[in-house]
Amino acid sequence: GENVEQHPSTLSVQEGDSAVIKCTYSDSASNYFPWYKQELGKRPQLIIDIRSNVGEKKDQRIAVTLNKTAKHFSLHITETQPEDSAVYFCAPSNDYKLSFGAGTTVTVRA
Amino acid sequence: KAGVTQTPRYLIKTRGQQVTLSCSPISGHRSVSWYQQTPGQGLQFLFEYFSETQRNKGNFPGRFSGRQFSNSRSEMNVSTLELGDSALYLCASSPSGWDTGSYEQYFGPGTRLTVT
Repeated sequence: GENVEQHPSTLSVQEGDSAVIKCTYSDSASNYFPWYKQELGKRPQLIIDIRSNVGEKKDQRIAVTLNKTAKHFSLHITETQPEDSAVYFCAPSNDYKLSFGAGTTVTVRA
Repeated sequence: KAGVTQTPRYLIKTRGQQVTLSCSPISGHRSVSWYQQTPGQGLQFLFEYFSETQRNKGNFPGRFSGRQFSNSRSEMNVSTLELGDSALYLCASSPSGWDTGSYEQYFGPGTRLTVT
């Protein structure tokens, strides 16, 4: 099965600074790389995803970069805001079985 | 479009009982997946259904089962409940078929199951 590691497990940033979370996976067949955001007491929400034929994707303040050779992909959040405080999960996959990382708790300090 | 809905939202059961949870996907979505979320184990994949067929299965015991109906609604069943089955059970629906390479999944609010 897929082994997924996320680093760091917790991240505290000053409002306006950037945040980066890295996800390392083991299955070279993985070809779909999403990031989910889960606020306290709420459902996981897909915030950005990338497929293996693309190296980078950006959507306003968030971006995902993929290094398939090294088997890792990263979430980048710029100009962080208090509403970015949440747990972020990576979930690499090559089908509908998402293998979730353990999550990164991001706290944005005002 | 309405989002993914799950019923019931909260459930309290006794060890040894069985439980059935229901999930209604987003209209037009044909794939439904189930996940278990616990503080200790995180988010773990249970199974995935497409066109009433189970296509993927995670590493859970046979006490966990599911099915999908012709309208894409899905149910999961847990028999002989154990204390360790206490968790948030999330279902997720996906719009695409197997061969499009599009695996984005949209989650429901979950069913919080407590086993006493």
